[in-house]
Amino acid sequence: ETGVTQTPRHLVMGMTNKKSLKCEQHLGHNAMYWYKQSAKKPLELMFVYNFKEQTENNSVPSRFSPECPNSSHLFLHLHTLQPEDSALYLCASSRNPGGELFFGEGSRLTVL
Amino acid sequence: GDSVTQMEGPVTLSEEAFLTINCTYTATGYPSLFWYVQYPGEGLQLLLKATKADDKGSNKGFEATYRKETTSFHLEKGSVQVSDSAVYFCALSERDDKIIFGKGTRLHILP
Repeated sequence: ETGVTQTPRHLVMGMTNKKSLKCEQHLGHNAMYWYKQSAKKPLELMFVYNFKEQTENNSVPSRFSPECPNSSHLFLHLHTLQPEDSALYLCASSRNPGGELFFGEGSRLTVL
Repeated sequence: GDSVTQMEGPVTLSEEAFLTINCTYTATGYPSLFWYVQYPGEGLQLLLKATKADDKGSNKGFEATYRKETTSFHLEKGSVQVSDSAVYFCALSERDDKIIFGKGTRLHILP
């Protein structure tokens, strides 16, 4: 498998549920990212990891918790979300920060 | 801070029409500039880029020229196809920093 793979592609959860989004890249990249894409808003950068270390947290609420166990895998743990958190969550990787981004197809999240 | 402004969509054109999507930027230094495209149901992918003033990026018939004097990076294509229907994002990156995206412009091409 090549590129950036995200699972699940679709997720529906209640506000009290705990779930996780997973991202895996097979490109040998050092940097990984979580973005949130909502209708009629700019793409929002949430978190950046460089060599497994978090280098950016864009004032994201604590109900979103990232985890980067190695430079190929990135998780986004979700807990007590709100309906306004419903969006497409995109994972991306790049060889180094600021370099060309390679995106996954996204995980479409609906919070009821 | 750095920012990217691109024209509001949606843009609707007939097949074989000429396309321009405007993009201007604000940056403190000399950023690299990008256009990304998102086809329905997919993530974003790089369409073209330019790393210094007067560079022209091109791919799949699309072109954009890095204009430092007008801080612009407008996307153009001479003859669009139905398969070009997608959302187009202008973006910039300064030094080795994160990439900043515009809001995106949805393009509809009618057969």
